Parts: sequence; C-alpha cells; structure tokens
Amino acid sequence: AQTVTQSQPEMSVQEAETVTLSCTYDTSESNYYLFWYKQPPSRQMILVIRQEAYKQQNATENRFSVNFQKAAKSFSLKISDSQLGDTAMYFCAFMKHNAGNMLTFGGGTRLMVKP
Amino acid sequence: GAVVSQHPSRVICKSGTSVKIECRSLDFQATTMFWYRQFPKKSLMLMATSNEGSKATYEQGVEKDKFLINHASLTLSTLTVTSAHPEDSSFYICSALRDMGGNQPQHFGDGTRLSIL
Repeated sequence: AQTVTQSQPEMSVQEAETVTLSCTYDTSESNYYLFWYKQPPSRQMILVIRQEAYKQQNATENRFSVNFQKAAKSFSLKISDSQLGDTAMYFCAFMKHNAGNMLTFGGGTRLMVKP
Repeated sequence: GAVVSQHPSRVICKSGTSVKIECRSLDFQATTMFWYRQFPKKSLMLMATSNEGSKATYEQGVEKDKFLINHASLTLSTLTVTSAHPEDSSFYICSALRDMGGNQPQHFGDGTRLSIL
C-alpha cells in the first residue's frame, strides 16, 4: 500500500513571497503519478499540477512548480509570487500506473496568504 | 471542459432519513466515478469506486448497505445514505474520470455537506 505524508499541517506566507509545501510518499512501485490538488474555502478540489514519475524534469504551471526527487520519494510544491487567492488546503496525491486511477491523498496543508 | 456537478450542495435532515446525492459529468462521459468522505480539517477518504453498469467497489470498512451507489449512466452516479444518523454528518465529494488512461487526473465535484440532526 502507498502512503502520502504532508508534514506541515499549516503554513502562512506574505503576499508576493514564495512558499514551499512538503510531501513525501512511500511506494514500491516504479511507475506512478503525483498530483497537487487545491481545495479553497469553496471546497471544490482543483488540480494544480501533476508529475509523471518516469519524467525527470520537474513540472511547472505558471507560478506553481514542483521539486520531484524520486530517489528520496519527495514531491514538494513551490508557489511563487503568492496571491491571496492561493489561500486554501493543499493535498498531495499519489496514483499508481494502470491501477484504476485511484488516488491516495496526504493529510493536507492549510496555506494562508497574508496581505 | 471536464466539469463535474454535485447536487445538492448542502443537506440538513432528521435522523433516520435517507439522503441521495447526485454526481454528474456535464461535458464528458465518465465510466468511472469515485465517492469520498471528508471530515473537518481532514483529508479525503475514498469510500467507493463507481463503474457504469456494474456494482460499485467499496473500500474496507465502508458499509455497502448504508451507502448505496448507483452508476446508471455514463454521466450520473448517485450516493444514497440510508437511514442517516448524526455520525454520518460529513462532507461528501465525488470525482469522475474522463477516461481510464493511466495519467488522467480525477475531476472533482463541489461537494455536499450533509448534516444529520
């Protein structure tokens, strides 16, 4: 079974600054996918970014980027130029390849962006 | 694209009532949908996987007779909480898969807050 751990229950950052959210996972699989989802106060889960394990290049989506360290089983999310709208719960998630597309979520990190 | 609608967004009802929650994929066909439960300030817990035209697959510890799932069409899955009690109060979220490719993310609905008095 896979486990996903987010060691930071809560974080805060000043508007326009950069923040990094941590995520580690444990798996014996070699082929898998990793995701970061955002859940704002409106409660809808929104996909922020995804990474295929076979790709060495870190994924980026505008102000969001990841630091994927496969050997260390680490998948951190960096948010640059933080905006007030980034305030949300962030969940790291793991998905095995060709295994029904089921997600295993971490416990979440509550991020507060302060003006 | 890939919009998932969940209805109702909030339900408040008396103990013993059965409550039905709908999950619809609005602009795509979803052969697979997932149902999650989320407690306050907690992560999402997968309850079951719903496949169109077949029985749902429940996670360990989830009562099949308590949480009835029906995936009658490629765009609709329903979760019925039967004879709901206060301990069933929670936030329920569905998600849908556009296709079964290995790298496809789940698309989530807005969630339903269920409160049992």
